[in-house]
Amino acid sequence: GQSLEQPSEVTAVEGAIVQINCTYQTSGFYGLSWYQQHDGGAPTFLSYNALDGLEETGRFSSFLSRSDSYGYLLLQELQMKDSASYFCAVREGSSASKIIFGSGTRLSIRP
Amino acid sequence: EPEVTQTPSHQVTQMGQEVILRCVPISNHLYFYWYRQILGQKVEFLVSFYNNEISEKSEIFDDQFSVERPDGSNFTLKIRSTKLEDSAMYFCASHTSGSYGYTFGSGTRLTVV
Repeated sequence: GQSLEQPSEVTAVEGAIVQINCTYQTSGFYGLSWYQQHDGGAPTFLSYNALDGLEETGRFSSFLSRSDSYGYLLLQELQMKDSASYFCAVREGSSASKIIFGSGTRLSIRP
Repeated sequence: EPEVTQTPSHQVTQMGQEVILRCVPISNHLYFYWYRQILGQKVEFLVSFYNNEISEKSEIFDDQFSVERPDGSNFTLKIRSTKLEDSAMYFCASHTSGSYGYTFGSGTRLTVV
């Protein structure tokens, strides 16, 4: 079957660094994506990893290890506006293929 | 920045009624999807659509659901006879060939009473 595991909640302090982990077990694998969703909002694409290693986009970085079926999202210099839910999502096939979402991690940031 | 537009933003309907949710994907996008999210839960795949036909559908997408791209711009999701458990936020998403990030619309909150 398909499963994506991520922590349900994470709390961090403004200005700090936080890592959100994701492990997956899916029938196919083309890449791992991360999405941000604020309460009442739509998921917003953050990053995509198809190959092993680290991808950096500003304050956000994403890492993938295909051999370990594992990835993480790293958020640096946390700001209050980063309080949101973060979803990892696996793309199982080529261009027309769906992505399967994890259950999401709710990130709360304290001043 | 181009957007995926969904209407209506909120729809209340009686159980057993038909609803049509509408989406206008970004104009040069080729791949279209419907997802739904029950309050507080994860985003669930319903159906993917490419080249004017369904590419894949989930177990949720039963005979009560259908999709259409009637005029080359709109992309609709129809639920023929709504059930209480269909209450959820429905998101339309699209992307272009070679792009790995989906652009989601702002969603339609469907409430079945």
